[in-house]
Amino acid sequence: DAKTTQPPSMDCAEGRAANLPCNHSTISGNEYVYWYRQIHSQGPQYIIHGLKNNETNEMASLIITEDRKSSTLILPHATLRDTAVYYCIVSEANNNDMRFGAGTRLTVKP
Amino acid sequence: DVKVTQSSRYLVKRTGEKVFLECVQDMDHENMFWYRQDPGLGLRLIYFSYDVKMKEKGDIPEGYSVSREKKERFSLILESASTNQTSMYLCASSSGGSGTGELFFGEGSRLTVL
Repeated sequence: DAKTTQPPSMDCAEGRAANLPCNHSTISGNEYVYWYRQIHSQGPQYIIHGLKNNETNEMASLIITEDRKSSTLILPHATLRDTAVYYCIVSEANNNDMRFGAGTRLTVKP
Repeated sequence: DVKVTQSSRYLVKRTGEKVFLECVQDMDHENMFWYRQDPGLGLRLIYFSYDVKMKEKGDIPEGYSVSREKKERFSLILESASTNQTSMYLCASSSGGSGTGELFFGEGSRLTVL
């Protein structure tokens, strides 16, 4: 079973920041937080991951709370092409049993 | 470009047929995975493998088996296909060990069982 809880859907206005929350209250010390997204009819695509420090790359930022029980994925300037299902996953680094939940369906509106 | 290739994008099979779904990765990854995806249920893990000839059950292994005879290839087998196995099947791989843990997915195989 997935170890995370995400809202089923969210809307965001084009050009604004999209903040996608994820709860992972049972995360263990050696588990990372990974984010993926899936655009319709494609395989999921890796976005970012982190252990306890905040992370940023060219796609997004990941903010992890100090107690590591929740995190937020931030898309700083959402575009229509960011409309997708976003998955938050916790897994050890060797990740040989990655489990996805239902994710959050983000709709970016003009 | 790194690549995970699934042999068929679309398949139509009859109930009771034996079905093979093939997946090949060119990244020398240790870990390989098979998921199925159904509307409203997200991705569910069927089986995974962390080494040649090694396999572990995921959350929904019933009705499926897998084979990993070579590091680059991971096959999903439906011994006797049933209509409730109509689904999108996704293969993925990752480096495991000291790698980033990033999963690389194939484009998926949409199976219809009549």
